[in-house]
Amino acid sequence: KNQVEQSPQSLIILEGKNCTLQCNYTVSPFSNLRWYKQDTGRGPVSLTIMTFSENTKSNGRYTATLDADTKQSSLHITASQLSDSASYICVVSARSGGYQKVTFGTGTKLQVIP
Amino acid sequence: EPEVTQTPSHQVTQMGQEVILRCVPISNHLYFYWYRQILGQKVEFLVSFYNNEISEKSEIFDDQFSVERPDGSNFTLKIRSTKLEDSAMYFCASRAEGSNQPQHFGDGTRLSIL
Repeated sequence: KNQVEQSPQSLIILEGKNCTLQCNYTVSPFSNLRWYKQDTGRGPVSLTIMTFSENTKSNGRYTATLDADTKQSSLHITASQLSDSASYICVVSARSGGYQKVTFGTGTKLQVIP
Repeated sequence: EPEVTQTPSHQVTQMGQEVILRCVPISNHLYFYWYRQILGQKVEFLVSFYNNEISEKSEIFDDQFSVERPDGSNFTLKIRSTKLEDSAMYFCASRAEGSNQPQHFGDGTRLSIL
């Protein structure tokens, strides 16, 4: 069964500090992995997308890594800001015929405090 | 930047009634999705739609659910006879051609079944 597990469930950090969120998956056959940011009461917003051949991808202060061998990904946030407070969701897609099946993780709830 | 828009933002319906949730995807997108998120739980895939037909659906998407693209701009989710457990946020998403294109989410419709 395709599963995506994220850790930690929640995290509180001081403004300006860095943090790393983890994602482990058992989805196959792997197609791509995305990290989304979801503000409270809003829809998810895509941060990064990585395919099998990509090890790292950056989007401003967000850097995602992917190890397809161990089926792990991380999202590193540098110099956190108060506006980074949100849930961060790891989403893994499997190729199923000509289409994709997506599995969402449960998310990590990040709170950045002054 | 173009957005996916969803209406209404909040829908309150009596159990057993039919409800239609509406979405306007980004205009040049070809792939459309519905997801739901029960309060406090992870986002769950419901259905994907391409070329005027369902391409994938999850086990949640039973006979009570249907989707339609009635014209060139709207994409709707209908629940025929709502149940209490249908209470959730329903997110619509769309993406452009290319399996690694990001899905753009709307801000969701909160459905409350009484």
